[in-house]
Amino acid sequence: DTGVSQDPRHKITKRGQNVTFRCDPISEHNRLYWYRQTLGQGPEFLTYFQNEAQLEKSRLLSDRFSAERPKGSFSTLEIQRTEQGDSAMYLCASSLQGAQPQHFGDGTRLSIL
Amino acid sequence: AQRVTQPEKLLSVFKGAPVELKCNYSYSGSPELFWYVQYSRQRLQLLLRHISRESIKGFTADLNKGETSFHLKKPFAQEEDSAMYYCALKGGTSYGKLTFGQGTILTVHP
Repeated sequence: DTGVSQDPRHKITKRGQNVTFRCDPISEHNRLYWYRQTLGQGPEFLTYFQNEAQLEKSRLLSDRFSAERPKGSFSTLEIQRTEQGDSAMYLCASSLQGAQPQHFGDGTRLSIL
Repeated sequence: AQRVTQPEKLLSVFKGAPVELKCNYSYSGSPELFWYVQYSRQRLQLLLRHISRESIKGFTADLNKGETSFHLKKPFAQEEDSAMYYCALKGGTSYGKLTFGQGTILTVHP
């Protein structure tokens, strides 16, 4: 198992465009998390899935953001009508249920031109 | 609300010197505290968690509920310890979301 996998590693797009990121968690991990990290800051929680159910969303997740985990395996995070402030590293993490630690992917770095 | 504060953005020590990375938290219940580390060009990875009460790579951290702190310590720093360190908190009422501090860049000079 190679751990949590995220694709793409980098995404450069123009303001106003839509982007979609993918996260493949460690197999058997039923919990999946998305975080956002801007320069000089620690990761900030965006949303959480247990299997296919999205159980928690941060206020940071505006209506331009949507996340899915349709079959309880991989997840996608879509940002519509991107803005300059969306430029950040988007991190995905997964864990087993219970008091198990989260394992992070390498992240997708989004740059808005 | 839960908050994690790492007061030092940068910390420099010489090889063999003791090192302490500070972490203070704010949370009304019983939190679970973690230290994550990110080495150059690598992903964020768990270093240790307070419930394990273990020493990883010579690092230890003790949860002090009275001072609401979870400082990371190592008696003799090594050059390979140079990295970004994040303190993180998991609140008991959440499904496991982590609240991170801003991070401390540790540089160990030869």
